[in-house]
Amino acid sequence: EAQVTQNPRYLITVTGKKLTVTCSQNMNHEYMSWYRQDPGLGLRQIYYSMNVEVTDKGDVPEGYKVSRKEKRNFPLILESPSPNQTSLYFCASSLEYRVGSPLHFGNGTRLTVT
Amino acid sequence: GQSLEQPSEVTAVEGAIVQINCTYQTSGFYGLSWYQQHDGGAPTFLSYNALDGLEETGRFSSFLSRSDSYGYLLLQELQMKDSASYFCAVRAPRGKLIFGQGTTLQVKP
Repeated sequence: EAQVTQNPRYLITVTGKKLTVTCSQNMNHEYMSWYRQDPGLGLRQIYYSMNVEVTDKGDVPEGYKVSRKEKRNFPLILESPSPNQTSLYFCASSLEYRVGSPLHFGNGTRLTVT
Repeated sequence: GQSLEQPSEVTAVEGAIVQINCTYQTSGFYGLSWYQQHDGGAPTFLSYNALDGLEETGRFSSFLSRSDSYGYLLLQELQMKDSASYFCAVRAPRGKLIFGQGTTLQVKP
């Protein structure tokens, strides 16, 4: 089944403890991206990648890191999480980066930082 | 910069027609997309307009006017399951994707 898989679905952690949210797609998509969703703010792009070893900042990259060493994987790393990073996170991928190329989203990761 | 505006909430009754508007401001336009999201679940792609006019997909249609920097999503024969949030999105230069803040549609019996 074609899908984007994020793990974990739920994560509670403490301030400053490094964490990684994994994202994997099995559709051979070139474009991958991370978003955070907060009430009233919609989906805001954190980082995106147009292909292997090509990553770029979205609108809210501060406090996050990403890497794209393989086409299928695009992990999101929080080196030192803070409470303002408590949010619902989505990974998404598309065949290419044209806007008409539909984004396929993972099921989300709900992160709580205390 | 890039920005999109949509109404925060819309309410309609089952069987009716509802229109969700989206106005955008971008430096370079690469098309307008629409996504649906149920209760914090994964957003799903609905439609895409690159050129002016109406695109129809079943009960859903999407319209674009590039000269007015405006688009809308039209939902016909509303069903209870259409209660969800709807997001418009535009692609900014270099692959960045900007979403609107979302419109929550409540369908009432």
